[in-house]
Amino acid sequence: GAVVSQHPSRVICKSGTSVKIECRSLDFQATTMFWYRQFPKQSLMLMATSNEGSKATYEQGVEKDKFLINHASLTLSTLTVTSAHPEDSSFYICSARDSLNYGYTFGSGTRLTVV
Amino acid sequence: GENVEQHPSTLSVQEGDSAVIKCTYSDSASNYFPWYKQELGKGPQLIIDIRSNVGEKKDQRIAVTLNKTAKHFSLHITETQPEDSAVYFCAARRSNDYKLSFGAGTTVTVRA
Repeated sequence: GAVVSQHPSRVICKSGTSVKIECRSLDFQATTMFWYRQFPKQSLMLMATSNEGSKATYEQGVEKDKFLINHASLTLSTLTVTSAHPEDSSFYICSARDSLNYGYTFGSGTRLTVV
Repeated sequence: GENVEQHPSTLSVQEGDSAVIKCTYSDSASNYFPWYKQELGKGPQLIIDIRSNVGEKKDQRIAVTLNKTAKHFSLHITETQPEDSAVYFCAARRSNDYKLSFGAGTTVTVRA
């Protein structure tokens, strides 16, 4: 089945630094990838939608200059949290849509802790 | 946008019993309804999905039903096992974009 690899699974960084999270579709081409944020015991909150070769579309209230998204190829999207602050600590999850069918496959998530 | 409501928020069942989770959606243009299982510290995993042209789908112990008229869909898990304990999310996708709208989630606990 479709597999999405997300790295790193856990990262701790200092306030003010930037962190990059990678999301790769291993066995299918993903023209569209999605980035979510999830707080403890809550649902997934869509942050942005990225399409290969074009600028990401951000949801209302999400700072595009803080959460930089790049979707340079059909199999790779990255989320960079810039100038991280403790309030950015969260569980970030990517998802890739298989352009050949209806399927959406999720990565395993990244636990970001900003200290 | 699409609004998905999910009930109950928590569900505790005895091993071997059935579990039912219900969701409603607001946009009649939605045409795809997946269900995800999320274990602690992991990403959601698709367990079953249904398209709007089908009323019911079954995969072993798991089934999903869809009532387009009433705009609701349900997940049924039969013969529950302790490993079914997790958080379950329903979602809906509108036909005019690729975004999934998620329900709030149901924490299922299967008591041994």
